[in-house]
Amino acid sequence: EAQVTQNPRYLITVTGKKLTVTCSQNMNHEYMSWYRQDPGLGLRQIYYSMNVEVTDKGDVPEGYKVSRKEKRNFPLILESPSPNQTSLYFCASSPLYPYEQYFGPGTRLTVT
Amino acid sequence: EDKVVQSPLSLVVHEGDTVTLNCSYEVTNFRSLLWYKQEKKAPTFLFMLTSSGIEKKSGRLSSILDKKELFSILNITATQTGDSAVYLCALAGGTSYGKLTFGQGTILTVHP
Repeated sequence: EAQVTQNPRYLITVTGKKLTVTCSQNMNHEYMSWYRQDPGLGLRQIYYSMNVEVTDKGDVPEGYKVSRKEKRNFPLILESPSPNQTSLYFCASSPLYPYEQYFGPGTRLTVT
Repeated sequence: EDKVVQSPLSLVVHEGDTVTLNCSYEVTNFRSLLWYKQEKKAPTFLFMLTSSGIEKKSGRLSSILDKKELFSILNITATQTGDSAVYLCALAGGTSYGKLTFGQGTILTVHP
């Protein structure tokens, strides 16, 4: 089944404890992206990747890192999480930019 | 600054009504406009629009783009309770090539 998977789906952590949210797609898509969704603010792009080894910042990259070492995976790294990074995170992929994106199920992160 | 504004922010209708959702934008280097539906989970793709005046249609849903006036509309005819969702408009293009900017979304509630 063609899909985007994210892990973990739910995570509660403490301020400053490094964490990684994984994202993987099995559709051989070139483009991948991370978003956060907050009430009243909609979806905001964190980082995106046009292809392997090519990444760039979205609108809200501060406090996040990404890497794209292979086509199928695009992990999101929070080196020192803070409470303002509490949010719902979505990973998405598309065959090429700027075509339709397929979203993962989301990761709900709480930082205390 | 790239901007996507959706209106109305929320809408309550009864089954059988027709609704029109609006998306206006300001973006450099327009590439495409995308519509998504989000129920209590990840967004799912509805339409991608790249050319003015060409209507995209899927069942009771249709959408059209006006690149001169910088807006798009999403129409839903004969609404059903299953149409209740958040409808998201997104612009591909902008200050960075791979950027995707979302509007705040329109919350549609359809009562029986």
